[in-house]
Amino acid sequence: DAGVIQSPRHEVTEMGQEVTLRCKPISGHNSLFWYRQTMMRGLELLIYFNNNVPIDDSGMPEDRFSAKMPNASFSTLKIQPSEPRDSAVYFCASSSLSGRVDEQFFGPGTRLTVL
Amino acid sequence: RKEVEQDPGPFNVPEGATVAFNCTYSNSASQSFFWYRQDCRKEPKLLMSVYSSGNEDGRFTAQLNRASQYISLLIRDSKLSDSATYLCVVNYGQNFVFGPGTRLSVLP
Repeated sequence: DAGVIQSPRHEVTEMGQEVTLRCKPISGHNSLFWYRQTMMRGLELLIYFNNNVPIDDSGMPEDRFSAKMPNASFSTLKIQPSEPRDSAVYFCASSSLSGRVDEQFFGPGTRLTVL
Repeated sequence: RKEVEQDPGPFNVPEGATVAFNCTYSNSASQSFFWYRQDCRKEPKLLMSVYSSGNEDGRFTAQLNRASQYISLLIRDSKLSDSATYLCVVNYGQNFVFGPGTRLSVLP
């Protein structure tokens, strides 16, 4: 079975550019989570969706970040404009039970570098 | 104070050693607790849940102390393949917080 799929796996961009990260959750899972991981701050939850609806976006750092889930099989996290401090690994995870962390399966992550 | 704190590490131990990690949490309303493992440059993966009565899975033992608000993970007879970062996770309601992780290196 395919796990959570993320693309791209690596992204290098220049400050000010728009960045779009993509995620395909495991089929049948109804919750989707976006995380950011850095050495300084560890793993932080940015936003999560239940049944395609954003439930908690309090972790989104600022207005430059936006996330969408137009259907059950696809989500995007967009950063516009990007800044060097956005450099991190961004993980997407999906779950079959609403909000339960032990059911979460993580994708391989997107390593973002903003120059 | 951070919501979830862990031993800073790194822990460097020889093969066969027993090693223990602690994790403290600040929210007394926390309901569920877990240990995740993250290999270098990989995604986190669930290692085990932590039950109130304590639970064991092979060489791994997890314990919860609600009164003192900490959880622990004990690894016996450590293997080279146990080298990873161990993240504790605390869940309350629909909120969940990952600890910063403790890095373990098992040396030959």
